[in-house]
Amino acid sequence: ETGVTQTPRHLVMGMTNKKSLKCEQHLGHNAMYWYKQSAKKPLELMFVYSLEERVENNSVPSRFSPECPNSSHLFLHLHTLQPEDSALYLCASSPSSGFLGTGELFFGEGSRLTVL
Amino acid sequence: DAKTTQPTSMDCAEGRAANLPCNHSTISGNEYVYWYRQIHSQGPQYIIHGLKNNETNEMASLIITEDRKSSTLILPHATLRDTAVYYCIVRGNSGAGSYQLTFGKGTKLSVIP
Repeated sequence: ETGVTQTPRHLVMGMTNKKSLKCEQHLGHNAMYWYKQSAKKPLELMFVYSLEERVENNSVPSRFSPECPNSSHLFLHLHTLQPEDSALYLCASSPSSGFLGTGELFFGEGSRLTVL
Repeated sequence: DAKTTQPTSMDCAEGRAANLPCNHSTISGNEYVYWYRQIHSQGPQYIIHGLKNNETNEMASLIITEDRKSSTLILPHATLRDTAVYYCIVRGNSGAGSYQLTFGKGTKLSVIP
């Protein structure tokens, strides 16, 4: 138990569906992250939020839309995805987005997404 | 951030020390070395980090060479639960993108009974 909870753990959706992934942390951290892990590929950073403001968007397609309503919650809204978007989506949090903290990220268990 | 090079896979006998090497020959003076691991189907887990001194915590020890161009993560008494992919990451502490942890392919450690 890392203190970062992701729901749902598994999601199957069609290409025309709209769904959302949710992440919640109870660690009092100020920064939250979305990572994508495709089969046999390294983890890719998608988005970074610091104090509820987006500080990084690593050229992610607009069919992925993040939302950070407060420092404890992070969403990833999914719309008209493609089969190649099937992956494990990991949320993480850290005390700070910059190097005021230790650089230690706490990851959730991930949401396994399958796009049909 | 400096790139790292790790062996693709390693085996270790249960109860023995696991020594995982990492090369980071282009590391700069303000960059730290981080180690994470990822057990199958779980999120990555932070293990340890250091700048130039050796570090030890309840999980592992980190040995960084004097020139800082390589490091070794040591799991003193490997157990079956240590079977995972181990990532060595170099990250700066200032400048744009200093918050980013860039994961490579890591080393798949298999602990054998």
